[in-house]
Amino acid sequence: DIVMTQAPLSVSVTPGESASISCRSSKSLLHSNGITYVYWYLQKPGKSPQLLIYRMSNLASGVPDRFSGSGSETDFTLKISRVEAEDVGIYYCGQLLENPYTFGAGTKLELK
Amino acid sequence: EVQLVETGGGLVQPGRSLKLSCVASGFTFSSYWMYWIRQAPGKGLEWVSSINTDGGSTYYPDSVKGRFTISRDNAENTVYLQMNSLRSEDTATYYCVQIAYWGQGTLVTVSS
Repeated sequence: DIVMTQAPLSVSVTPGESASISCRSSKSLLHSNGITYVYWYLQKPGKSPQLLIYRMSNLASGVPDRFSGSGSETDFTLKISRVEAEDVGIYYCGQLLENPYTFGAGTKLELK
Repeated sequence: EVQLVETGGGLVQPGRSLKLSCVASGFTFSSYWMYWIRQAPGKGLEWVSSINTDGGSTYYPDSVKGRFTISRDNAENTVYLQMNSLRSEDTATYYCVQIAYWGQGTLVTVSS
């Protein structure tokens, strides 16, 4: 199974500043079709997860452009510019390249 | 507006069965793969099953293979998860997912 490792497990950010979350996969997530199948989700307190980024760098519909995704075949980064109060929650990376789909353990973002 | 509404959760004894349903609206249901993903209390995300657009292909992780069955009815815009031989470790909130959207989840508690 592909293991997804996130870092840090928690981060505290001053509103208005930036935050970065790292995710590393145990295997390349680059498909032969050129698409990298890593996804980023945010689970706000008491809510269902919501999609932020799909296929490594594509912003999901309705997601503010303060969020961006980047990376290589095995190392990925979610960046949040100008963190706001509504960004608090747990961020998960996930791979949808091959079964079984797997997720990172999550990164909890809090405000200072 | 995309909506995914799960029903069927509840308290069930170990070894018994339960069937979850998810009614979808706001998108062309028959064009999308559908997924069930679960989250144990206070834990991370675990993919449970996938089904392709016509229901002809299904996928499961080893943890539920042989016990869970995903199916769909494209005429009714509904995806199902039949769960047999339930165990305490199956206790979780089960989410119906269409790659970009998540339902509100339904809680399954397996306990005597």
